[in-house]
Amino acid sequence: QVQLVESGGGVVQPGRSLRLSCAASGFTFSSYGMHWVRQAPGKGLEWVAVISYDGSNKYYADSVKGRFTISRDNSKNTLYLQMNSLRAEDTAVYYCAKDLTDYGAPDIWGQGTMVTVSS
Amino acid sequence: EIVLTQSPDFQSVTPKEKVTITCRASQSIGSSLHWYQQKPDQSPKLLIKYASQSFSGVPSRFSGSGSGTDFTLTINSLEAEDAATYYCHQSSSLPYTFGQGTKLEIK
Repeated sequence: QVQLVESGGGVVQPGRSLRLSCAASGFTFSSYGMHWVRQAPGKGLEWVAVISYDGSNKYYADSVKGRFTISRDNSKNTLYLQMNSLRAEDTAVYYCAKDLTDYGAPDIWGQGTMVTVSS
Repeated sequence: EIVLTQSPDFQSVTPKEKVTITCRASQSIGSSLHWYQQKPDQSPKLLIKYASQSFSGVPSRFSGSGSGTDFTLTINSLEAEDAATYYCHQSSSLPYTFGQGTKLEIK
């Protein structure tokens, strides 16, 4: 079955960097777009970024543009989110999610990894 | 950016009741509207894709309708396990966006 497992979360100081990973299994990873979506404590869902199946196209929410970079390694079935210049408002659970196709909508989600930005 | 506004924000309902949640888009998004269910301490699950298509494995009591700017999620004969927060999401225009969520409480 489709499985997505995020890792790399933790506590980080404002201004520092963190890289999240998402290991995928149970489907042909290289055939689907992938998303990152986050959820601040007690808040709703916020779409963060999407990457096309081959990594050639990437799009971001305005709130993270220029600071976050989405990437993928299809040989390792792994999705990444490089987060730089972190702010307190980036504190959230970060979910990776498989797309229905390429730029459709997330269908299967991982369990999430918590990122806390605090001094 | 397309803004999605859900109503209501909160609803307390009894089992077997019929529930309707609406999602209004700030501009036309065709049928690129999807519905998710999130239970406490769980990741979201896709219920309805492209406004009215049921996702695999979703109970038949969940249905969706609408196009353009106005969309509806309907839950027929509500069950206790349907207590959750429901979100709409648009994939018509980047940046993609979510509605603010509708929390359903079962009496």
